[in-house]
Amino acid sequence: EVQLLESGGGLVQPGGSLRLSCAASGFTFNTYAMSWVRQAPGKGLEWVSAISASGGITYYADSVKGRFTISRDNSKNTLYLQMNSLRAEDTAVYYCAKSLQEWLNYYAMDVWGQGTTGTVSS
Amino acid sequence: EIVLTQSPGTLSLSPGGRASLSCRASQSVSSSYLAWYQHKPGQAPRLLIYGASSRATGIPDRFSGSGSGTDFTLTISRLEPEDFAVYYCQQYGTSPLTFGGGTKVEIK
Repeated sequence: EVQLLESGGGLVQPGGSLRLSCAASGFTFNTYAMSWVRQAPGKGLEWVSAISASGGITYYADSVKGRFTISRDNSKNTLYLQMNSLRAEDTAVYYCAKSLQEWLNYYAMDVWGQGTTGTVSS
Repeated sequence: EIVLTQSPGTLSLSPGGRASLSCRASQSVSSSYLAWYQHKPGQAPRLLIYGASSRATGIPDRFSGSGSGTDFTLTISRLEPEDFAVYYCQQYGTSPLTFGGGTKVEIK
């Protein structure tokens, strides 16, 4: 069964950092691009970042560029999101998601994790 | 950045009814790289449609997508109780990927 399991959420003060992880299983992780998508309380879905299958190409939303870093360890089938300089508006449920299509750097997302919540508050 | 505008914001319908959801893009979506997702509270989003009109694996045929360029539509032909949820369109033809604001389909 294809599964994604996020972890690493929690409460952090403004200006602090969080590192999210997403453990993948049930598919050939190193052939699919991956993304992070978030949903702030009472808001819609917002795409945050994507990374190519090899990890060599990354993409970011303007709202997180320069503060967040996406990465992956294909030997561990794990996706990461390092979040620095956090702001109250980064408070959200963070989902990792798998691209439907192999090899393309980004695409529609067919498998999603259950999400992990990051809360930025003093 | 391509801005996606979904309408209406809320659709109130009865089970068995037909739902038509609109997604309009601020510029043409390349190669019709437009997807639709269903999202229920406390659950992961679910891919329904990709490539504007292709159903994802396991999606019932009461869900259909159409459109090209800047205008896209998701149609649910006969609403089942489990279809009441929020629906999002997303373009994935150009980075940054963007989502529409969502349409809530609620029970009338």
